[in-house]
Amino acid sequence: EADIYQTPRYLVIGTGKKITLECSQTMGHDKMYWYQQDPGMELHLIHYSYGVNSTEKGDLSSESTVSRIRTEHFPLTLESARPSHTSQYLCASSATGLNTEAFFGQGTRLTVV
Amino acid sequence: AQSVTQLGSHVSVSEGALVLLRCNYSSSVPPYLFWYVQYPNQGLQLLLKYTSAATLVKGINGFEAEFKKSETSFHLTKPSAHMSDAAEYFCAAGGSARQLTFGSGTQLTVLP
Repeated sequence: EADIYQTPRYLVIGTGKKITLECSQTMGHDKMYWYQQDPGMELHLIHYSYGVNSTEKGDLSSESTVSRIRTEHFPLTLESARPSHTSQYLCASSATGLNTEAFFGQGTRLTVV
Repeated sequence: AQSVTQLGSHVSVSEGALVLLRCNYSSSVPPYLFWYVQYPNQGLQLLLKYTSAATLVKGINGFEAEFKKSETSFHLTKPSAHMSDAAEYFCAAGGSARQLTFGSGTQLTVLP
């Protein structure tokens, strides 16, 4: 059983609000990732981190930002939510190494109205 | 650069029939290959991974996949589909220090 947690699971929020999606893992993994996924669609990497104080943007441009102050915590922030941000956001982590699988959280389904 | 191609965005099978989900990879280095399953409103769960110890890999829920280097394929199979197998399936390739590369996914429907 993977130990990676995302909160909230569902969030409905008004346009212009600031939101933070939480992601925590207890496996001591150095690598962490945020993916954006529209219903029934593929995953798009929007942010990743190799470790504390290391963050990079992914393949899909995103207005969100991330921070990695602690190994176990990788929150994603949207300063001003818009309807175009409506999507599912998946957090994942993996150990260092090329043959290591990623463990995924349950996801946060964000709706901006 | 790696790429993963999943043939067929939607696959329908009858309950009890063979499940075959196709995945081809493109890589200039030996790949590390994975299959994940995603149920509605859930994250991804690892089904199995190829570790180079054996070309036929057995996973959870009765699924298995065969690595064929000559065909650059890693197709997922299950002898007999069950209604609970209905989900989205993703093939992924590692080998990059940065991240996994995911295919676009295949939605499996199981008909009664």
